[in-house]
Amino acid sequence: AQTVTQSQPEMSVQEAETVTLSCTYDTSESDYYLFWYKQPPSRQMILVIRQEAYKQQNATENRFSVNFQKAAKSFSLKISDSQLGDAAMYFCAYRSAEGGSEKLVFGKGTKLTVNP
Amino acid sequence: NAGVTQTPKFQVLKTGQSMTLQCAQDMNHNSMYWYRQDPGMGLRLIYYSASEGTTDKGEVPNGYNVSRLNKREFSLRLESAAPSQTSVYFCASSEQGWRGYTFGSGTRLTVV
Repeated sequence: AQTVTQSQPEMSVQEAETVTLSCTYDTSESDYYLFWYKQPPSRQMILVIRQEAYKQQNATENRFSVNFQKAAKSFSLKISDSQLGDAAMYFCAYRSAEGGSEKLVFGKGTKLTVNP
Repeated sequence: NAGVTQTPKFQVLKTGQSMTLQCAQDMNHNSMYWYRQDPGMGLRLIYYSASEGTTDKGEVPNGYNVSRLNKREFSLRLESAAPSQTSVYFCASSEQGWRGYTFGSGTRLTVV
């Protein structure tokens, strides 16, 4: 079974600075998808960014980018120019690309604090 | 607005009471899911339904039952609530491929 590990329960960053959240995963599959979700205090789960394993190019969405290292099974999230609104729980998640296996497996999350 | 609708948003139950959490999506997704979120544990899959008429157990199914009533609706039932079921419950739906899930807004359930 696939597992996702987020080794940093909590992180903090100064406003306007850059922070990187770590995620590693364990799988024997070669094709899969990886995601980062943000959960602000409102509790809503918001998709931040996604990566297809067969794509070598790292995904980027505005101030959010990933460093995908397939051989190392690592999928870190970089937040540039951090804003107060970025404060939230961040979850890394894995999804198999095999047909019929669409379950998301989540890490335990990293709580990000943004200091003004 | 299109999306996943969960009801109720908050609920307090006494130990031994039963209740059903409702979930409906209007995106014509085939797959639907129920997760629970506990502090320090992330989101753990309770049950899922890959298509209308099918349901399967996830990681933590004990104490729960589900019904996929039709393509839109997927309910989660607690037959005899226990304090260990105090949690935040999320319903989600998805289509095939890499687009991830669409989540409901969650239900905070407290069992006293």
